[in-house]
Amino acid sequence: AQSVTQPDIHITVSEGASLELRCNYSYGATPYLFWYVQSPGQGLQLLLKYFSGDTLVQGIKGFEAEFKRSQSSFNLRKPSVHWSDAAEYFCAVVGGADGLTFGKGTHLIIQP
Amino acid sequence: GAGVSQSPSNKVTEKGKDVELRCDPISGHTALYWYRQSLGQGLEFLIYFQGNSAPDKSGLPSDRFSAERTGGSVSTLTIQRTQQEDSAVYLCASSLRGAWETQYFGPGTRLLVL
Repeated sequence: AQSVTQPDIHITVSEGASLELRCNYSYGATPYLFWYVQSPGQGLQLLLKYFSGDTLVQGIKGFEAEFKRSQSSFNLRKPSVHWSDAAEYFCAVVGGADGLTFGKGTHLIIQP
Repeated sequence: GAGVSQSPSNKVTEKGKDVELRCDPISGHTALYWYRQSLGQGLEFLIYFQGNSAPDKSGLPSDRFSAERTGGSVSTLTIQRTQQEDSAVYLCASSLRGAWETQYFGPGTRLLVL
């Protein structure tokens, strides 16, 4: 069965600094990979997804992620964070016909 | 356009009672999912409906949990004989055809079992 690991439970970043959130997955074949964001009081929203092709994918709100098969990783990045980026970020994988398997999430705190 | 809607927004019940949670997916979406979000377990997949096929129930935590989808649209998640550990936010999502596509999530139903 597939699994997702997000090693960082909390990350604190200063506003304007760069951001990288780590995600490692376990799946035998090429997975479908997603990053979702959950802002306080908001539902889950898709940031970006990877299925095939170019391993660097662009998403909404200035986020990007890079799929690295050799490292089984799909890390999320943003060059310059804004206070509104404070939220919970979830990496997820679909490996088969069932629903998403989510990581435990990373709570992002933005310092002024 | 309208997104995924869920009702009720909040539900407080007593231990041992049954509860029903409702999900209205985006019109035209054939795939529907239920997830549970709790402090201890994070986001867990519960069940997946694809069109008229038999649902994938592999994530249901116990036989007290069941779900149905009528007419390929609205879905109801039923929890029988609720326990305190069932307290969580229950999220519904839908996608156009399958799990490999973008899933659109509803706002969730917050269930508290006293």
